[in-house]
Amino acid sequence: GAVVSQHPSWVICKSGTSVKIECRSLDFQATTMFWYRQFPKQSLMLMATSNEGSKATYEQGVEKDKFLINHASLTLSTLTVTSAHPEDSSFYICSARDLSGSYEQYFGPGTRLTVT
Amino acid sequence: GEDVEQSLFLSVREGDSSVINCTYTDSSSTYLYWYKQEPGAGLQLLTYIFSNMDMKQDQRLTVLLNKKDKHLSLRIADTQTGDSAIYFCAERPGILTGGGNKLTFGTGTQLKVEL
Repeated sequence: GAVVSQHPSWVICKSGTSVKIECRSLDFQATTMFWYRQFPKQSLMLMATSNEGSKATYEQGVEKDKFLINHASLTLSTLTVTSAHPEDSSFYICSARDLSGSYEQYFGPGTRLTVT
Repeated sequence: GEDVEQSLFLSVREGDSSVINCTYTDSSSTYLYWYKQEPGAGLQLLTYIFSNMDMKQDQRLTVLLNKKDKHLSLRIADTQTGDSAIYFCAERPGILTGGGNKLTFGTGTQLKVEL
């Protein structure tokens, strides 16, 4: 149980284009999902907290107009990187918190984004 | 804000025990976690400990928590080559320091298991 998927697992796009990454909780409902960014050989940096049916809460220094988050249902959150640039290349990982209130976060397998 | 530190690298021989250490600053942390990340993959929750516990054992894994010193460790017994990965500790802050939803991750420790 408690499986989180991400799609795509990797994507290569050109500068200036937008890329959407999906995060799904497959066997549980998640009121809250989190989006992290991880640079090579570094830790995870929380970008934003996504709550179903409301606006996401962004961490300091994260541009909300560049990283659009939509949490339209209890099983799906999307992160759209708009007008991507090479410096946006990174590993993006989502996690989802079980609605049952256990506070445990279950992580997706990550999406490798490369912007050329 | 909260700060979680780990040593960057640990190398052990197969069959030996590995001890990965972590220090944190938030004294109101409620839960502390250990995650494993293999190359190109997401995070796998290995184990966690509630802040009012001193020790937790789960098969080959032993977690020790020294709340006074804000020190957490993960011991892996009989380390195998499949244990080679990056290990992250994480703490869930208390309500007074930001809320119960967020996790603050350590810098990660690369464990290399040699034959």
